[in-house]
Amino acid sequence: QVTLKESGPGMLQPSKTLSLTCSFSGFSLSTSGMVVSWIRQPSGKSLEWLAAIDWDGDKYYNPSLKSRLTVSKDTSNTQVFLKITSVDTADTATYYCARSPLGARTFDYWGQGVMVTVSS
Amino acid sequence: DVVLTQTPPTLSATIGQSVSISCRSSQSLLHSNGNTYLNWLLQRPGQPPQLLIYLVSRLESGVPNRFSGSGSGTDFTLKISGVEAEDLGVYYCVQSTHAPPTFGGGTKLELK
Repeated sequence: QVTLKESGPGMLQPSKTLSLTCSFSGFSLSTSGMVVSWIRQPSGKSLEWLAAIDWDGDKYYNPSLKSRLTVSKDTSNTQVFLKITSVDTADTATYYCARSPLGARTFDYWGQGVMVTVSS
Repeated sequence: DVVLTQTPPTLSATIGQSVSISCRSSQSLLHSNGNTYLNWLLQRPGQPPQLLIYLVSRLESGVPNRFSGSGSGTDFTLKISGVEAEDLGVYYCVQSTHAPPTFGGGTKLELK
């Protein structure tokens, strides 16, 4: 059974660095072709793809946010991390991680999401 | 970035009614490898999105066959043949042919 779960600080102040963790089971990121993405959704709005990391450790970023994002994974290939620097109120959103299996370029499994509020 | 425009933004339906949602892309979603990476998601209230259809028309495992997808190039359609109460929520199209992946603005399906 594939599951993903996001965790994060809940709330942080403007200009700080947001650190998020996606813990997953039921698949391994070491499997050829596997990709885990980060996607966010401000309340009442649509979705925005942020970044991804694949089984080979290659990293992909949304150009609009690239300078502020860093995606990484752990050596056991069961966790993926996202850091966003210099946050402001526009980064307030629910953050999801999602899996993309080999070649499909779909987001077939999603975590429940973690809500992050940026406020002073 | 590729812009996906969904219409209508809101759809009111009765149980059993058939409905369609349109997704139009600012550029062709046909990849050089011959695949078209256009997917449909459903987000029920308070839930994460779930995959319904991928590669334009392929039904994800476990998704009822009242859902169907069609289209090519820049114009795509999701059809629900006989809406059921569990189908209520917001539908999104998403493309991953061109980087970065982008999502449509969503279509909210409500009960009339």
